[in-house]
Amino acid sequence: RKEVEQDPGPFNVPEGATVAFNCTYSNSASQSFFWYRQDCRKEPKLLMSVYSSGNEDGRFTAQLNRASQYISLLIRDSKLSDSATYLCVVYSSASKIIFGSGTRLSIRP
Amino acid sequence: SQTIHQWPATLVQPVGSPLSLECTVEGTSNPNLYWYRQAAGRGLQLLFYSVGIGQISSEVPQNLSASRPQDRQFILSSKKLLLSDSGFYLCAWSRDNVLFFGSGTQLSVL
Repeated sequence: RKEVEQDPGPFNVPEGATVAFNCTYSNSASQSFFWYRQDCRKEPKLLMSVYSSGNEDGRFTAQLNRASQYISLLIRDSKLSDSATYLCVVYSSASKIIFGSGTRLSIRP
Repeated sequence: SQTIHQWPATLVQPVGSPLSLECTVEGTSNPNLYWYRQAAGRGLQLLFYSVGIGQISSEVPQNLSASRPQDRQFILSSKKLLLSDSGFYLCAWSRDNVLFFGSGTQLSVL
C-alpha cells in the first residue's frame, strides 16, 4: 500500500461546479498535512495547510480526518484557472515528507 | 523574504555525460534543503535532503549524489547519466514543515 494515495483523475467538470478530492495516508503518526497545486511543467506551490478543525480559504475548504486517515479538498464555484494537478502532502518528519501522485482537474467552459 | 533559485531551467544531456544542478536559497539561514525528482505523469520522489553543511541523507540508491558546500547552496551531481535519470528535478527548502520549491530543471537524457 502506498503511504499517500490519491485518485489520479482526471476530473473534468464545468465551470461553476463544486469538486472534491480525497487523499488517504497510512502513517498514523503523521503530523502535518497540505494541499499543493502544480501547473504543467511548473513547480508545486502551496495551496493550503490542512487542520483538524478544517479550514477555508475563499472557495477552497480543506478537512482532516485523523481517525480515518484521510484529508480532503473541496473547491466551490470552480474557475477555468483552477485547472491543475492537486497534490496531497503528508509530513511525518524533516526526512519524511510524502507526496501523493496528484489528482488532475480540468475545468471546462 | 526568502527566495530559492535553481538552474538551469532545461537541460539536454547525452547518456554517460556528467550532471551538475545548483540551487541556492536567500533570506534564511540553516534551512533544510531537498532534491526531488518527478518523472513524467508521476509523483515527487525524494532523492536527498540536508539539515546542514556537509550533512546529506540519501533516500534512494542511484547514480546521483548531492553536496552542500555552503549553508544555502545545494548541488545535485552525477558522474555518468542514465536514460532513466530523465525527469523534472526540484530543489526545495522548508519552514514550519512546509516545502517551498525552486522553479525546477527539466532534464532530458538522450
